[in-house]
Amino acid sequence: NAGVTQTPKFRVLKTGQSMTLLCAQDMNHEYMYWYRQDPGMGLRLIHYSVGEGTTAKGEVPDGYNVSRLKKQNFLLGLESAAPSQTSVYFCASTQLHPNSYEQYFGPGTRLTVT
Amino acid sequence: AQSVTQPDIHITVSEGASLELRCNYSYGATPYLFWYVQSPGQGLQLLLKYFSGDTLVQGIKGFEAEFKRSQSSFNLRKPSVHWSDAAEYFCAVGAVDSNYQLIWGAGTKLIIKP
Repeated sequence: NAGVTQTPKFRVLKTGQSMTLLCAQDMNHEYMYWYRQDPGMGLRLIHYSVGEGTTAKGEVPDGYNVSRLKKQNFLLGLESAAPSQTSVYFCASTQLHPNSYEQYFGPGTRLTVT
Repeated sequence: AQSVTQPDIHITVSEGASLELRCNYSYGATPYLFWYVQSPGQGLQLLLKYFSGDTLVQGIKGFEAEFKRSQSSFNLRKPSVHWSDAAEYFCAVGAVDSNYQLIWGAGTKLIIKP
Protein backbone atom coordinates (compact mmCIF):
# COMPACT_ATOMS: atom_id res chain seq x y z
CA ASN A 1 0.00 0.00 0.00
CA ALA A 2 1.69 3.19 -1.17
CA GLY A 3 -1.05 5.44 0.25
CA VAL A 4 -0.98 8.85 -1.42
CA THR A 5 1.82 9.59 -3.85
CA GLN A 6 2.67 12.82 -5.64
CA THR A 7 4.82 13.51 -8.68
CA PRO A 8 7.05 15.35 -9.13
CA LYS A 9 8.66 16.07 -5.75
CA PHE A 10 10.36 19.25 -6.91
CA ARG A 11 9.93 21.53 -9.89
CA VAL A 12 11.22 24.89 -11.02
CA LEU A 13 9.18 26.80 -13.59
CA LYS A 14 9.65 30.07 -15.36
CA THR A 15 6.80 32.57 -15.26
CA GLY A 16 4.23 31.70 -17.89
CA GLN A 17 5.13 28.02 -18.17
CA SER A 18 2.56 25.33 -17.50
CA MET A 19 2.73 22.08 -15.61
CA THR A 20 0.60 19.32 -14.13
CA LEU A 21 1.00 17.80 -10.70
CA LEU A 22 -0.19 14.24 -10.31
CA CYS A 23 -1.70 12.78 -7.16
CA ALA A 24 -2.47 9.08 -6.92
CA GLN A 25 -4.03 7.09 -4.08
CA ASP A 26 -4.47 3.35 -3.79
CA MET A 27 -6.95 3.34 -0.90
CA ASN A 28 -10.10 3.60 -3.03
CA HIS A 29 -10.95 6.93 -1.41
CA GLU A 30 -13.83 8.97 -2.78
CA TYR A 31 -12.70 12.44 -1.72
CA MET A 32 -9.46 14.03 -2.84
CA TYR A 33 -8.03 17.48 -2.14
CA TRP A 34 -5.29 19.79 -3.35
CA TYR A 35 -3.77 22.22 -0.85
CA ARG A 36 -1.01 24.74 -0.95
CA GLN A 37 1.14 25.43 2.09
CA ASP A 38 2.85 28.76 2.60
CA PRO A 39 4.83 29.82 5.67
CA GLY A 40 2.60 31.06 8.49
CA MET A 41 -0.61 30.33 6.59
CA GLY A 42 -1.28 26.68 7.27
CA LEU A 43 -2.97 24.74 4.51
CA ARG A 44 -5.28 26.40 2.04
CA LEU A 45 -7.63 24.36 -0.10
CA ILE A 46 -7.27 24.91 -3.84
CA HIS A 47 -9.75 22.42 -5.31
CA TYR A 48 -11.32 19.21 -4.22
CA SER A 49 -13.22 16.27 -5.66
CA VAL A 50 -16.03 14.24 -4.14
CA GLY A 51 -15.78 11.48 -6.70
CA GLU A 52 -14.65 10.46 -10.15
CA GLY A 53 -15.58 13.08 -12.72
CA THR A 54 -16.47 15.77 -10.18
CA THR A 55 -14.44 18.74 -8.95
CA ALA A 56 -15.16 21.85 -6.93
CA LYS A 57 -13.38 25.06 -5.98
CA GLY A 58 -11.81 25.56 -2.62
CA GLU A 59 -10.55 28.68 -0.90
CA VAL A 60 -7.84 29.69 -3.42
CA PRO A 61 -8.72 28.25 -6.85
CA ASP A 62 -7.57 31.08 -9.11
CA GLY A 63 -4.79 30.13 -11.51
CA TYR A 64 -5.34 26.39 -11.07
CA ASN A 65 -7.41 23.74 -12.78
CA VAL A 66 -8.04 20.15 -11.78
CA SER A 67 -9.34 16.93 -13.23
CA ARG A 68 -10.46 13.63 -11.75
CA LEU A 69 -10.88 11.29 -14.70
CA LYS A 70 -10.07 8.21 -12.65
CA LYS A 71 -11.02 7.63 -9.03
CA GLN A 72 -7.44 7.05 -7.97
CA ASN A 73 -5.93 10.11 -9.66
CA PHE A 74 -6.36 13.83 -9.08
CA LEU A 75 -4.44 16.21 -11.31
CA LEU A 76 -3.62 19.83 -10.55
CA GLY A 77 -2.72 22.06 -13.48
CA LEU A 78 -1.09 25.45 -13.67
CA GLU A 79 -1.74 26.91 -17.11
CA SER A 80 0.48 29.98 -16.79
CA ALA A 81 2.65 29.88 -13.69
CA ALA A 82 3.23 33.03 -11.65
CA PRO A 83 5.76 33.69 -8.86
CA SER A 84 2.84 33.87 -6.41
CA GLN A 85 2.30 30.17 -7.04
CA THR A 86 5.66 29.32 -5.50
CA SER A 87 4.60 27.03 -2.70
CA VAL A 88 4.51 23.47 -1.42
CA TYR A 89 1.54 21.56 -2.78
CA PHE A 90 -0.07 18.70 -0.91
CA CYS A 91 -2.61 16.21 -2.07
CA ALA A 92 -4.85 14.41 0.40
CA SER A 93 -7.63 11.86 0.26
CA THR A 94 -10.31 10.58 2.59
CA GLN A 95 -12.90 7.87 2.75
CA LEU A 96 -16.13 8.63 4.51
CA HIS A 97 -16.75 6.19 7.32
CA PRO A 98 -18.89 6.98 10.34
CA ASN A 99 -16.75 8.86 12.83
CA SER A 100 -13.76 8.79 10.57
CA TYR A 101 -12.85 11.09 7.80
CA GLU A 102 -9.30 12.02 8.51
CA GLN A 103 -7.31 13.04 5.48
CA TYR A 104 -4.29 11.08 4.31
CA PHE A 105 -1.53 13.18 2.81
CA GLY A 106 1.06 12.78 0.13
CA PRO A 107 4.68 13.87 0.66
CA GLY A 108 4.23 17.16 -1.20
CA THR A 109 5.58 18.89 -4.29
CA ARG A 110 7.85 21.90 -3.86
CA LEU A 111 7.27 24.30 -6.74
CA THR A 112 9.35 27.37 -7.43
CA VAL A 113 8.28 29.85 -10.10
CA THR A 114 10.99 32.30 -11.17
CA ALA B 1 -17.22 32.15 9.57
CA GLN B 2 -15.37 29.03 10.51
CA SER B 3 -11.85 29.53 11.77
CA VAL B 4 -9.09 27.83 13.67
CA THR B 5 -6.56 29.72 15.75
CA GLN B 6 -3.25 28.41 16.96
CA PRO B 7 -2.01 31.34 19.03
CA ASP B 8 1.62 30.25 19.26
CA ILE B 9 3.72 30.39 16.10
CA HIS B 10 6.74 28.88 17.86
CA ILE B 11 7.12 27.07 21.16
CA THR B 12 10.46 26.07 22.69
CA VAL B 13 10.49 23.28 25.26
CA SER B 14 13.33 21.47 26.98
CA GLU B 15 13.64 17.78 26.30
CA GLY B 16 11.78 15.87 29.00
CA ALA B 17 9.50 18.77 29.85
CA SER B 18 5.75 18.76 29.36
CA LEU B 19 4.07 20.33 26.35
CA GLU B 20 0.76 21.98 25.62
CA LEU B 21 -0.13 23.37 22.20
CA ARG B 22 -3.23 25.49 22.01
CA CYS B 23 -6.01 25.34 19.45
CA ASN B 24 -9.21 27.39 19.47
CA TYR B 25 -11.92 27.11 16.89
CA SER B 26 -15.00 28.95 15.78
CA TYR B 27 -17.65 26.70 14.34
CA GLY B 28 -21.41 26.69 14.61
CA ALA B 29 -22.06 22.99 14.32
CA THR B 30 -20.63 20.12 16.31
CA PRO B 31 -17.04 20.01 15.14
CA TYR B 32 -14.78 17.17 14.26
CA LEU B 33 -11.29 17.98 15.50
CA PHE B 34 -7.88 16.82 14.40
CA TRP B 35 -4.22 17.31 15.23
CA TYR B 36 -1.63 16.59 12.57
CA VAL B 37 2.15 16.67 12.74
CA GLN B 38 4.53 17.61 9.95
CA SER B 39 8.21 16.77 10.20
CA PRO B 40 10.58 18.88 8.09
CA GLY B 41 10.20 18.14 4.39
CA GLN B 42 7.43 15.63 5.01
CA GLY B 43 3.71 15.37 4.54
CA LEU B 44 1.21 15.58 7.36
CA GLN B 45 0.49 12.66 9.69
CA LEU B 46 -2.58 12.33 11.87
CA LEU B 47 -1.81 12.40 15.60
CA LEU B 48 -5.33 12.12 16.95
CA LYS B 49 -8.94 13.02 16.31
CA TYR B 50 -12.13 13.77 18.19
CA PHE B 51 -15.57 13.02 16.82
CA SER B 52 -17.74 12.35 19.87
CA GLY B 53 -17.74 10.66 23.24
CA ASP B 54 -14.89 10.95 25.72
CA THR B 55 -13.47 14.46 25.49
CA LEU B 56 -9.95 13.30 26.29
CA VAL B 57 -8.52 11.49 23.30
CA GLN B 58 -5.30 9.57 23.03
CA GLY B 59 -3.14 9.60 19.96
CA ILE B 60 0.07 8.23 18.61
CA LYS B 61 3.53 9.01 19.96
CA GLY B 62 2.22 9.61 23.48
CA PHE B 63 0.10 12.66 22.61
CA GLU B 64 -3.34 13.42 23.96
CA ALA B 65 -5.84 16.22 23.46
CA GLU B 66 -8.85 17.45 25.38
CA PHE B 67 -11.97 18.87 23.77
CA LYS B 68 -13.55 21.64 25.84
CA ARG B 69 -16.78 22.77 24.24
CA SER B 70 -17.28 25.67 26.66
CA GLN B 71 -13.91 27.10 25.68
CA SER B 72 -14.02 26.07 22.00
CA SER B 73 -10.61 24.53 22.49
CA PHE B 74 -8.81 21.35 21.57
CA ASN B 75 -5.36 21.59 23.14
CA LEU B 76 -2.66 19.04 22.48
CA ARG B 77 -0.53 17.75 25.34
CA LYS B 78 2.40 15.47 25.98
CA PRO B 79 3.82 14.82 29.46
CA SER B 80 7.46 14.51 28.37
CA VAL B 81 8.79 15.59 24.98
CA HIS B 82 11.58 13.92 23.08
CA TRP B 83 13.94 15.55 20.59
CA SER B 84 12.15 13.62 17.83
CA ASP B 85 8.97 15.60 18.59
CA ALA B 86 10.47 18.69 16.97
CA ALA B 87 8.10 19.40 14.11
CA GLU B 88 5.21 21.61 13.10
CA TYR B 89 1.79 20.83 14.52
CA PHE B 90 -1.50 21.68 12.87
CA CYS B 91 -4.98 21.76 14.33
CA ALA B 92 -7.93 21.29 11.96
CA VAL B 93 -11.69 21.44 12.28
CA GLY B 94 -14.35 19.96 10.07
CA ALA B 95 -17.97 18.92 9.96
CA VAL B 96 -20.24 16.80 7.86
CA ASP B 97 -22.14 19.83 6.64
CA SER B 98 -18.94 21.42 5.35
CA ASN B 99 -18.68 18.76 2.64
CA TYR B 100 -15.97 17.15 4.73
CA GLN B 101 -13.57 20.00 4.17
CA LEU B 102 -11.15 20.81 6.96
CA ILE B 103 -10.31 24.30 8.17
CA TRP B 104 -6.69 24.50 9.23
CA GLY B 105 -4.82 26.50 11.80
CA ALA B 106 -1.60 28.23 10.80
CA GLY B 107 0.53 25.75 12.71
CA THR B 108 2.82 25.81 15.74
CA LYS B 109 6.48 25.00 15.30
CA LEU B 110 7.86 23.02 18.24
CA ILE B 111 11.54 23.48 19.03
CA ILE B 112 13.20 21.14 21.52
CA LYS B 113 16.10 22.37 23.64
CA PRO B 114 18.60 19.68 24.60
